Amino acid sequence: GEDVEQSLFLSVREGDSSVINCTYTDSSSTYLYWYKQEPGAGLQLLTYIFSNMDMKQDQRLTVLLNKKDKHLSLRIADTQTGDSAIYFCAESSGYSTLTFGKGTMLLVSP
Amino acid sequence: EAQVTQNPRYLITVTGKKLTVTCSQNMNHEYMSWYRQDPGLGLRQIYYSMNVEVTDKGDVPEGYKVSRKEKRNFPLILESPSPNQTSLYFCASSPGTSGSVGNEQFFGPGTRLTVL
Repeated sequence: GEDVEQSLFLSVREGDSSVINCTYTDSSSTYLYWYKQEPGAGLQLLTYIFSNMDMKQDQRLTVLLNKKDKHLSLRIADTQTGDSAIYFCAESSGYSTLTFGKGTMLLVSP
Repeated sequence: EAQVTQNPRYLITVTGKKLTVTCSQNMNHEYMSWYRQDPGLGLRQIYYSMNVEVTDKGDVPEGYKVSRKEKRNFPLILESPSPNQTSLYFCASSPGTSGSVGNEQFFGPGTRLTVL
């Protein structure tokens, strides 16, 4: 089946930029998503990018998509301790069913 | 408030004792789904439903049943729970075919199930 891969852990200092990377295998992916899971909570959509875009910026978040390499990244500028969470990359090839990566735990230290 | 609710939030049970985890959404979404989250394995889809009376298996359906008799409800049934079903379960819903660009999935708060 289709696969989404992420690094499992990232540690940064407050104020630095964080970059979380993701690769996927489904060449027919239409949408790619970043979800955030805070401790004890469900997942919340952070941002998404359509497959015909290279970049999307939303305040402190920048999503880069390299469709040729099937590589997606999420950059968080000026990372805060409140950004500590698990970040999931997910892809969809058209309908609502998503394939999720295993999640990247981001730890932000003061 | 638009939301997905799950009950119970926490459940400890014993092997073989049938249980149901309820899921309800108030957003008139067509699509609903159940996931389980396990350490090191991420989220894996159990079952999903594209509309009333339409359900399909996800990646890990064994040992689970679902039903979709009404649009708003999508209960997850474990007829004979086993310890390997100890996990954190999430219900999610999405507008589906009538949905907005991106078809965002809205997640419930999760149900932590322990089977002894």
